[in-house]
Amino acid sequence: AQSVTQLGSHVSVSEGALVLLRCNYSSSVPPYLFWYVQYPNQGLQLLLKYTSAATLVKGINGFEAEFKKSETSFHLTKPSAHMSDAAEYFCAVSDRTGADGLTFGKGTHLIIQP
Amino acid sequence: DAGVIQSPRHEVTEMGQEVTLRCKPISGHNSLFWYRQTMMRGLELLIYFNNNVPIDDSGMPEDRFSAKMPNASFSTLKIQPSEPRDSAVYFCASSLATDTQYFGPGTRLTVL
Repeated sequence: AQSVTQLGSHVSVSEGALVLLRCNYSSSVPPYLFWYVQYPNQGLQLLLKYTSAATLVKGINGFEAEFKKSETSFHLTKPSAHMSDAAEYFCAVSDRTGADGLTFGKGTHLIIQP
Repeated sequence: DAGVIQSPRHEVTEMGQEVTLRCKPISGHNSLFWYRQTMMRGLELLIYFNNNVPIDDSGMPEDRFSAKMPNASFSTLKIQPSEPRDSAVYFCASSLATDTQYFGPGTRLTVL
């Protein structure tokens, strides 16, 4: 069985500061990992995905994540936060990209302080 | 492309009534997923289809829930009878083979 743990239900950073959202996974097979963003009253939008290629994955809006097998982690980072980054962020795992359902973490609400 | 289309966007109903949620996947996609989002349980996979065939419905909470995909461009999720604990946002997503899942805007269901 797969599972995802996101540490911190709320993360607050100042505008221009580093964003770090933590995600740890558990999977019995090599995982495919995803970060999605959800803005208020909207659906989920893919930020980036890891599918067993490069361990450092770059996504949209300046976000990136690094797959670390030894730490079973897939943390999301952005060097400089913008006000428009305020949203809910979800980490998800699948054992096959796209073909199977996703198992999501509980989500992290990112707050940007002016 | 119009993206994944869900209807209605909002549904308010009374306990015991039948509720039908609808989804139109992105044209050409062959996998369709139904998820439910609640504050308590987060995002949960309910069921998914591949080439219109249900593959895994282990996430469907109970027999009151049923889902169909009569063709490649339409799916329904039905709750009968509805209960207040079914109140949630229901998302539909579609994908092509092993590619990314694209999510619809969701249907916010309130059962009074």
